[in-house]
Amino acid sequence: DSGVTQTPKHLITATGQRVTLRCSPRSGDLSVYWYQQSLDQGLQFLIQYYNGEERAKGNILERFSAQQFPDLHSELNLSSLELGDSALYFCASSVGAGEFEQYFGPGTRLTVT
Amino acid sequence: AQTVTQSQPEMSVQEAETVTLSCTYDTSENNYYLFWYKQPPSRQMILVIRQEAYKQQNATENRFSVNFQKAAKSFSLKISDSQLGDTAMYFCAFMKMNRDDKIIFGKGTRLHILP
Repeated sequence: DSGVTQTPKHLITATGQRVTLRCSPRSGDLSVYWYQQSLDQGLQFLIQYYNGEERAKGNILERFSAQQFPDLHSELNLSSLELGDSALYFCASSVGAGEFEQYFGPGTRLTVT
Repeated sequence: AQTVTQSQPEMSVQEAETVTLSCTYDTSENNYYLFWYKQPPSRQMILVIRQEAYKQQNATENRFSVNFQKAAKSFSLKISDSQLGDTAMYFCAFMKMNRDDKIIFGKGTRLHILP
């Protein structure tokens, strides 16, 4: 158990819908990262937040957005869902930014039908 | 841009044997980290081992060791005395040592440990 929690574990929804994935980092960790794991694209970095502020952005679609709240939990919002958004979404956290190990949560499996 | 390449999509070895997973990467950075992550059927991403680029000594964690060749940009993982619980997908990964600290993953190697 990495100490990073993600909810829900599984999510099934229809195309065009919007979902919110939630992540609680390890106690004391200030950075939260979101990754997407799909069959065709592999594991890809989406976005990072550090102490409430966006720190780095990767291959995140405009339909996706994220934020980190004052209690340091983070949410990833996915809207206008398409079949291709079906994937495993991981959240990871680290103490700081730049030179710290990232600990991964168990992931949220999103299925878009 | 950094890239990580794992040339072995799938491997199988007998229990108790030693297996080596290959990884090459491309970067113009001088300071970075390299990782091997394990993803068992549970899908949890587990950090197996980490190597700092500035360290010449190869990292070791129990039965897991790496062969880090900085000039060749090669970072292989050796698993000794393999166990059934080592069956998993293994990802080689790269992270720069600076503000932009996303992890870049290879496509993975699926490892089967056979009884």
